[in-house]
Amino acid sequence: EDQVTQSPEALRLQEGESSSLNCSYTVSGLRGLFWYRQDPGKGPEFLFTLYSAGEEKEKERLKATLTKKESFLHITAPKPEDSATYLCAVEDTGFQKLVFGTGTRLLVSP
Amino acid sequence: GAVVSQHPSWVICKSGTSVKIECRSLDFQATTMFWYRQFPKQSLMLMATSNEGSKATYEQGVEKDKFLINHASLTLSTLTVTSAHPEDSSFYICSAIPGRGPYEQYFGPGTRLTVT
Repeated sequence: EDQVTQSPEALRLQEGESSSLNCSYTVSGLRGLFWYRQDPGKGPEFLFTLYSAGEEKEKERLKATLTKKESFLHITAPKPEDSATYLCAVEDTGFQKLVFGTGTRLLVSP
Repeated sequence: GAVVSQHPSWVICKSGTSVKIECRSLDFQATTMFWYRQFPKQSLMLMATSNEGSKATYEQGVEKDKFLINHASLTLSTLTVTSAHPEDSSFYICSAIPGRGPYEQYFGPGTRLTVT
């Protein structure tokens, strides 16, 4: 059974304090690993897709990396507007559906 | 691009009534749409997968007679919660995959259902 575990559950940072979020996964075959951002009361917003170990993608202050067992979302010099829940999901090669982790709630204080 | 809308954004209904939620892909054709449910401070749980013109595939534990899904066109899927009860109160979110790559799921803004 595919599983996704995210840590920490919650993270509080000061503005400018860089950190990383972790997503550990277990799948029989990885078709893709996805990162989404979700604001309260809204649907998830797509950030990145990673397909193979060693791949990296960047968008503004965010950088996602992938190994065979986990992915990291690095946040460099975060701003208060980066506060949100960050969700990680995997898609198994055998199924056209996403399995989500429970997310990391990030709060960035000014 | 890849915008998905939902209507309504929130709805309150009485126990025993039915509620329909629409999910539309605004700027692309979606061969596949998904319906999720999310309880407070929990992650998204897939309810069903629908492909245009065919019956939806429901996840284990989801009552297909209670949650009716219709994917009538390449831009519209509907979820009808029949005979709603308070325990059906939740945040319902749809997503869609563009017909031609990439295959990332793009999510709608969600619908908050409250059953009284």
